[in-house]
Amino acid sequence: QKEVEQDPGPLSVPEGAIVSLNCTYSNSAFQYFMWYRQYSRKGPELLMYTYSSGNKEDGRFTAQVDKSSKYISLFIRDSQPSDSATYLCAPRRGGKLIFGQGTELSVKP
Amino acid sequence: DGGITQSPKYLFRKEGQNVTLSCEQNLNHDAMYWYRQDPGQGLRLIYYSQIVNDFQKGDIAEGYSVSREKKESFPLTVTSAQKNPTAFYLCASSTATGGAPSDYGYTFGSGTRLTVV
Repeated sequence: QKEVEQDPGPLSVPEGAIVSLNCTYSNSAFQYFMWYRQYSRKGPELLMYTYSSGNKEDGRFTAQVDKSSKYISLFIRDSQPSDSATYLCAPRRGGKLIFGQGTELSVKP
Repeated sequence: DGGITQSPKYLFRKEGQNVTLSCEQNLNHDAMYWYRQDPGQGLRLIYYSQIVNDFQKGDIAEGYSVSREKKESFPLTVTSAQKNPTAFYLCASSTATGGAPSDYGYTFGSGTRLTVV
């Protein structure tokens, strides 16, 4: 079993939809949880991070962590075609990030 | 501007050849990483280094070698022993320890696409 599991998709939604991207993890030692966005043929870029359980909002993006169920979510409101990318969750353990497989998202105009 | 630079962007390798991928950073980061990305497989860690002249194997180190002679540089050699080297290779860097949570993420380069011909 992988330490971090993420549905690879692909996920296709119409413009303006609310998108939910999710990961599960198995190691209770994770404390910081990162989300990366990767456009095609580019390197990943840090989108946002959260610490422990709870929510964090940044514009149209909300990151949520539920440590009791070991579940990580990223919500995108009013999705735009420019949000089309692969999204990777990456919990942090011992100074290292453990990456999920990434979910490929396509937002259709 | 601080950042991490990978070169070349595209690289072609003949069977039996060794090739070296370059990674340079001017972020004063202690730690550097090499990942391989294949479709549907996410990022797989090849090697990482937390300090100059020291590095550790990741999950898929076989057929690869690295060096860390300078803090700024972490080149990756794909040897002829790597049987399936065609992939997208990503280099990243980070502060090794301490700092604020905003420093805990990795900064990635733009990648090198390696193709065997």
